[in-house]
Amino acid sequence: GQSLEQPSEVTAVEGAIVQINCTYQTSGFYGLSWYQQHDGGAPTFLSYNALDGLEETGRFSSFLSRSDSYGYLLLQELQMKDSASYFCAPGNQGGKLIFGQGTELSVKP
Amino acid sequence: DAGITQSPRHKVTETGTPVTLRCHQTENHRYMYWYRQDPGHGLRLIHYSYGVKDTDKGEVSDGYSVSRSKTEDFLLTLESATSSQTSVYFCAISEGTLHNEQFFGPGTRLTVL
Repeated sequence: GQSLEQPSEVTAVEGAIVQINCTYQTSGFYGLSWYQQHDGGAPTFLSYNALDGLEETGRFSSFLSRSDSYGYLLLQELQMKDSASYFCAPGNQGGKLIFGQGTELSVKP
Repeated sequence: DAGITQSPRHKVTETGTPVTLRCHQTENHRYMYWYRQDPGHGLRLIHYSYGVKDTDKGEVSDGYSVSRSKTEDFLLTLESATSSQTSVYFCAISEGTLHNEQFFGPGTRLTVL
């Protein structure tokens, strides 16, 4: 079967670091993607991990452990504009992504 | 931004009427997807296409059909709309499948009364 777990809500203050965890179970797993969605907007791609380890893109980093079916998104130097929903999306070789309910991040001043 | 548009952007219709949503891309990407997004359910895949006239079902395909006669257009049809199909519909495109990077359109908000 397929399952996906990530926290529903996270709150942090400006300038802080926050980590959003994701555990998944899916057949034919190929890689883990992360998407950001602002309220009323469309999801936008943030990062992708096919191999174990850390991928860094500016203030955002994403980690994957295939053996643990676990990944996380790390956001550093939080800014107010980072307030959004974040989705982890495991994918398979057929290109299909599984989106969970997402994590709503609120950044406070 | 990837060249992907959706039409209409908003639609209100009545139960039992047919509805067609259009997704148009100018990127010549092979793969196209239709998702619906509802509170408490995140994004769920309805149908997808891996080429002209090649389509397959996603996890919530009941009540929906799709067609792709040209690379650039992917149509989603609700043959007889129901209130449970009130949702925000997103189209997405991707060039390939290996990196799973999908580019999303702006969405269509559909209300079925």
